[in-house]
Formats: sequence, structure tokens, C-alpha cells
Amino acid sequence: EPEVTQTPSHQVTQMGQEVILRCVPISNHLYFYWYRQILGQKVEFLVSFYNNEISEKSEIFDDQFSVERPDGSNFTLKIRSTKLEDSAMYFCASILHEQYFGPGTRLTVT
Amino acid sequence: GENVEQHPSTLSVQEGDSAVIKCTYSDSASNYFPWYKQELGKRPQLIIDIRSNVGEKKDQRIAVTLNKTAKHFSLHITETQPEDSAVYFCAASMSTGGFKTIFGAGTRLFVKA
Repeated sequence: EPEVTQTPSHQVTQMGQEVILRCVPISNHLYFYWYRQILGQKVEFLVSFYNNEISEKSEIFDDQFSVERPDGSNFTLKIRSTKLEDSAMYFCASILHEQYFGPGTRLTVT
Repeated sequence: GENVEQHPSTLSVQEGDSAVIKCTYSDSASNYFPWYKQELGKRPQLIIDIRSNVGEKKDQRIAVTLNKTAKHFSLHITETQPEDSAVYFCAASMSTGGFKTIFGAGTRLFVKA
């Protein structure tokens, strides 16, 4: 069964550094998403992406965040200058009829 | 924007009993309501969903009901087993694709053997 994959599984970075989180959505899916989940809290929507452009974004997704689909398979989330409060699990998801989540990347900002 | 409220935050039941988790949503345009199960350190897994054109859906021990007028939807788990212990999230979306999914705060379910 096809799955959404994410790399790396854990990323540790220093405050102020840039990070890129990578996702490979399921190949025939059309919509792609990034969510984040701070430890012990709910899953929060960040951004949705369709047809090579952002279709919707949340208040969390400010100028420090960007997304890209650099080729036909990868979908990336970039955080330009990380802050301590960016520490969270970041989930990628994709949809054809149902939404499937990737395993997540745990981002730790020190 | 959409807001999803979920209750209770913690639920403890005896094995074999039923568990009910309730959610309300604010945006009447929402038309898709998935439920996710999340085990510790794992990704959310879709367990059942319901669209606004139906009032109830069942899959083995799991059922979901939707009251569009009241903007309520509920998850029912019957004959609970210890492996049902996890955090359950309800969510609301305006579509299965293209629009954001707003999650409830989660219910931590403990099933005691």
C-alpha cells in the first residue's frame, strides 16, 4: 500500500538556522498539506498546496515559512530562521479521496 | 474561521464497555468530518469519516453520527479493547481536498483490562 514518506525523522537545529523538511506524497494524490503538532497538543493546519501553488494557509504560516514542490515527487517545508517555539512534530499529508499522513519529522530547536 | 470543540479530553472505560466522544463545529460550510486515532509517537490514522450528506456511518465496532442542524458529530466505539487506547481527534473540513482540516483538541481514551 502506498504511503506518504518524510525525511528526516528527527532534526535538531539551532535557533536562527534554516531547516527544510521533506515529504514524498502518494503519487496520484492532488492536494498536499503540512501540519504541526506541539508535544501533547492538537494537530494544527499550516498550509495546503494544489496545482503548484498554495491554496490556503493558517495564521501560523507566516513569512518565515515557505513550501515548494521542486520536482514531480518531493514537497518541502522551509523554515527560514527557526525559533524555539517551532519545536514540534511536523506532518505532511496528501489527499485523493482521504487524507493520509506521513510519519512526521520531529523538529527540535535549541 | 472554523473551530472544532471536542469532549471529553480524557475518557477511561472498562474493557467491553462503549466509549463516546463528541465534537461540535462552527462553520456550517464544513461538509467532511474525519476521525483520527493517534498512538504515542505515531502519525494520525484515519479510522472513519462521514460526509454531510449522511447522518450515520458504521464500520465494525466504530460508528459516527452527524447532526448538521446542531453542528454536532460523535464517535462511538463499542466493545472496547485495550488496543483502542490512544488519542482520538475529530476534525472538520469543507472538502476532502483543497481546504484545510481543523482538528479538535483530542480525547485520550484509556481502556482498562
